[in-house]
Amino acid sequence: GEDVEQSLFLSVREGDSSVINCTYTDSSSTYLYWYKQEPGAGLQLLTYIFSNMDMKQDQRLTVLLNKKDKHLSLRIADTQTGDSAIYFCAESIRGQAGTALIFGKGTTLSVSS
Amino acid sequence: DTGVSQDPRHKITKRGQNVTFRCDPISEHNRLYWYRQTLGQGPEFLTYFQNEAQLEKSRLLSDRFSAERPKGSFSTLEIQRTEQGDSAMYLCASSWEGDNEQFFGPGTRLTVL
Repeated sequence: GEDVEQSLFLSVREGDSSVINCTYTDSSSTYLYWYKQEPGAGLQLLTYIFSNMDMKQDQRLTVLLNKKDKHLSLRIADTQTGDSAIYFCAESIRGQAGTALIFGKGTTLSVSS
Repeated sequence: DTGVSQDPRHKITKRGQNVTFRCDPISEHNRLYWYRQTLGQGPEFLTYFQNEAQLEKSRLLSDRFSAERPKGSFSTLEIQRTEQGDSAMYLCASSWEGDNEQFFGPGTRLTVL
């Protein structure tokens, strides 16, 4: 079955690193995504990783993928108060011709100054 | 083009009424997706179009829901005989065929009284 699990809350201090974890179940997923949602706003794509990669770095963001354990993580370096938001992990499920995304319930990141 | 737009942003209706939402994708995108997000949950896939063809429908899409994309550009999502359980944020996303990034609109928040 298709399921994506995330821890629900993470609280960090400004300047620290944040690590948000995710597990997924579909081994045929081709891409895994991290989206950010701020209150009252839509989903913003932060980054994604192809399933044959182990790591992807983009400025303050580092994505690690352990395909054997179906574990994905997002590390935010030097976390700022503006990073406070809900972070969603998503896996792509290839259907007949397109790609639907299966999302986790989201991790609420709270950054205190 | 400023991104995916959705209209209205908020809709309050009484149980039993019909509602229709509109999504305008990014102009060069030929794929369009509808998702539903309830409080405390991640978005759930509803349906997907490639050009004007509706190619996938989730089992979440009951007979009261219908989506169209008549000219392969904007799409409408209609809910007939609304129920309180339909209260949610309805999100639209678009992408270009062969591209792995789905860009989301701000959503339409539906409240059924």
